[in-house]
Amino acid sequence: NAGVTQTPKFQVLKTGQSMTLQCAQDMNHEYMSWYRQDPGMGLRLIHYSVGAGITDQGEVPNGYNVSRSTTEDFPLRLLSAAPSQTSVYFCASSPPSGRATGELFFGEGSRLTVL
Amino acid sequence: DAKTTQPPSMDCAEGRAANLPCNHSTISGNEYVYWYRQIHSQGPQYIIHGLKNNETNEMASLIITEDRKSSTLILPHATLRDTAVYYCIVRPPRGSGAGSYQLTFGKGTKLSVIP
Repeated sequence: NAGVTQTPKFQVLKTGQSMTLQCAQDMNHEYMSWYRQDPGMGLRLIHYSVGAGITDQGEVPNGYNVSRSTTEDFPLRLLSAAPSQTSVYFCASSPPSGRATGELFFGEGSRLTVL
Repeated sequence: DAKTTQPPSMDCAEGRAANLPCNHSTISGNEYVYWYRQIHSQGPQYIIHGLKNNETNEMASLIITEDRKSSTLILPHATLRDTAVYYCIVRPPRGSGAGSYQLTFGKGTKLSVIP
């Protein structure tokens, strides 16, 4: 059971470039989300999804797009990278409503640097 | 969502109990208290959660005051591997809408376990 898998683990971009951070989970979780964590700070929610075909904005959505075509995958797209998007990005998933404890399962993070 | 207040840092001697406080004075009657921890730069890890009663699992105990305005996470015998940032989070119950998924991570408490 791989859990939540994020790729790539490290990425360096130049300002204006685009890229996609991949997130996949194999636990059949209906809820998935993306957070960013800046140095010395807590995690801030970017976008989330409560199921395939459904996405919504979190606290800091500007500059990011998401889609959820399957239950397993929830990619995060940066259309035109900016230095302010230098951060560590975490993907998380949660079991269906009513199951288990409702906790979030996090990936190991993707460290992005925008020059 | 209710806000939480935690001390920025704490030290604990190895083998002793670590007691991490959290204030959540504006918590609503149906909101849960969740605790996560983040070791170094890894993805956060779920520890425990509760509503009104005290809870215990293999990792920790959670003590919630009768008025539910504060709680304490207890690591009974802290080890060096417990050195981490601990986050106290308040969230609505599962199935209560999108807000139940939007966890707010503050800066947490950095616990240092001293040999």
